[in-house]
Amino acid sequence: DAGVIQSPRHEVTEMGQEVTLRCKPISGHNSLFWYRQTMMRGLELLIYFNNNVPIDDSGMPEDRFSAKMPNASFSTLKIQPSEPRDSAVYFCASSLAGIDYGYTFGSGTRLTVV
Amino acid sequence: SQQGEEDPQALSIQEGENATMNCSYKTSINNLQWYRQNSGRGLVHLILIRSNEREKHSGRLRVTLDTSKKSSSLLITASRAADTASYFCATARTASKLTFGTGTRLQVTL
Repeated sequence: DAGVIQSPRHEVTEMGQEVTLRCKPISGHNSLFWYRQTMMRGLELLIYFNNNVPIDDSGMPEDRFSAKMPNASFSTLKIQPSEPRDSAVYFCASSLAGIDYGYTFGSGTRLTVV
Repeated sequence: SQQGEEDPQALSIQEGENATMNCSYKTSINNLQWYRQNSGRGLVHLILIRSNEREKHSGRLRVTLDTSKKSSSLLITASRAADTASYFCATARTASKLTFGTGTRLQVTL
C-alpha cells in the first residue's frame, strides 16, 4: 500500500487566491481526518469524515475553509480566499472507524500564503 | 484545543541511553496513543494503550498509563540516532477522534 497520499507537497500562493489540497486515503479505511500544524498552535483537527460523511467540522476556522469527500478514495480541503495566517502544514490522515485504531498520516502539504 | 501536554518540551541524550517522555491530559479517555514525527514528515503511529491497560511494550518502546493521574509515559530504551524526532501523545475520548499534545523534541547524539 502506498499509504496516505497528499498533493501538492508544497504550495505557495498569493493572498486572496483559492487553494485546494488533495488527499487519497488508504484503501479500506473509512475515517479521514484533516489536521493543521503550526508552531504556535500545534496539531489542530479541522474536520473528519466517517464513510464519506462529515462528522465534526468544529475545528474549521472560518467559512473560508471547506472540505469534501465525494467518495471513499478522495478528499479535498479548500481555502477561499487564502490569507497569510493560513500558512501551515496541512495533514490528511486515515483510519478504520472505531476507537482502537491508530491513524496513518500523509506527508503533508506545506502551504505558504504571501 | 490541545488535550495533552508533553514533558519535557525538548530532550537531548546520547546514543545508548534511555529516553523518557511524559504526557498529561485533562479529561477521561478511551485510549492514548504515541506518534513520532521526523522533521518535514507526517506522523507515524507507534503504540496504543487502552484506558484499562497500565503498561504496554513494543520493541524498544514501553508505555505506561495512569488514569488516576491522567498521565502517560513513553520510554525508549537503548536509543539510536535514528530515534531523533518529535514525539506526540494523542488521546481518544470518542470514537475515531484524536486530540494531540504539544510534543517532545528528542535529539539523540552519537
